[in-house]
Amino acid sequence: SAVISQKPSRDICQRGTSLTIQCQVDSQVTMMFWYRQQPGQSLTLIATANQGSEATYESGFVIDKFPISRPNLTFSTLTVSNMSPEDSSIYLCSVAGPRGSPLHFGNGTRLTVT
Amino acid sequence: SQQGEEDPQALSIQEGENATMNCSYKTSINNLQWYRQNSGRGLVHLILIRSNEREKHSGRLRVTLDTSKKSSSLLITASRAADTASYFCATDAGGGADGLTFGKGTHLIIQP
Repeated sequence: SAVISQKPSRDICQRGTSLTIQCQVDSQVTMMFWYRQQPGQSLTLIATANQGSEATYESGFVIDKFPISRPNLTFSTLTVSNMSPEDSSIYLCSVAGPRGSPLHFGNGTRLTVT
Repeated sequence: SQQGEEDPQALSIQEGENATMNCSYKTSINNLQWYRQNSGRGLVHLILIRSNEREKHSGRLRVTLDTSKKSSSLLITASRAADTASYFCATDAGGGADGLTFGKGTHLIIQP
């Protein structure tokens, strides 16, 4: 199974600033996903990031707020822009194996916006 | 949109007892997966059951799937303190380009 390194593991940021979260995988993967988990809630898919194409955003999430990069098959970044306290969440990247197989998750980034 | 709905939302049992968590979903699926999350960490995959399977075992875990009722259950037998975590079901609709759709989770507390 893929080993996923996500950083930072946590951060406390001020309102109006931006934070970029990095996700590094130890093998080449086609599809990477970014999820958000608000306090006490389940996971919500933000976007799907495929190498060589624009990320596909889910309803309620826009590129201006959550720009994503996917420069190669082992790396992706998610930026949380112009943060507000409502953005305080755990952000998780995950990768997909062969179709129909489980996702593998990074340990997440715990973001607190003050 | 969220599809899986787990119940109960929280469950507290004594160590050694069995824990059962249920999950319901709304649309057709390719497979259903259960994940565990320890206190704000990443998710760990536990077990995957395909739509043409009815029951699957893995160690102390037993998962059932009833596609006619659009429901699944996760049974943890002989629970241990280390099983304390949140458990999520997730459905894969088989679209290939989409991530999983997660339920709200069941927080399981194993009391020593």
